[in-house]
Amino acid sequence: QSVLTQPPSVSAAPGQKVTISCSGSSSNIGNNYVSWYQQLPGTAPKLLIYDNNKRPSGIPDRFSGSKSGTSATLGITGLQTGDEADYYCGTWDSSLSVGVFGTGTKVTVL
Amino acid sequence: QVQLVQSGAEVKKPGASVKVSCKASGYTFTNYDINWVRQATGQGLEWMGWMNPNSGNTGYAQKFQGRVTMTRNTSISTAYMELSSLRSEDTAVYYCARGLTVTTSDYWGQGTLVTVSS
Repeated sequence: QSVLTQPPSVSAAPGQKVTISCSGSSSNIGNNYVSWYQQLPGTAPKLLIYDNNKRPSGIPDRFSGSKSGTSATLGITGLQTGDEADYYCGTWDSSLSVGVFGTGTKVTVL
Repeated sequence: QVQLVQSGAEVKKPGASVKVSCKASGYTFTNYDINWVRQATGQGLEWMGWMNPNSGNTGYAQKFQGRVTMTRNTSISTAYMELSSLRSEDTAVYYCARGLTVTTSDYWGQGTLVTVSS
């Protein structure tokens, strides 16, 4: 059971925007950087966002990250069919001394 | 280009051990941590721990303490993750990843399926 909570699924039409929330506590999100990963079916996760809002080289600016208090959000604009995947947030939990991931969110493009 | 290539699928009996390898290329192996994450079928990601290839220092999730060992061979740029006393709940895909931090991984291996079955 994860300490970071995400909605099980979100969906939108092509070209629209979706946001995915990641809710934690002061021991994890509240005091540590958040990363976001995209996992296409049958593949390894891919880093989309690190340090709350930074994009690695090659990640389009359609993907954005933000953090406020004990929650973080991933935004995807201009939704494409290729964005259909599972998305996970991740951070460090200072109380548990362990890396933690969110429960995961499946994005469906209608 | 940065690549992490993992060893092939394994089938083990309960109580046995498994050792997964992760060969790095395209960067200086000792400059980045190696993180290990696993994922049971249809489930989410689970962080197992990290290893600093330069010092050999490691950090493990308490859940795996006493059962997991992360090592490396710098001469061949390869990291290893050994999990002992396997049980059916350990059936999962195990990933190694290059760590920007212990919880931020920018390049991932292809994954190694470990099946624990009698």
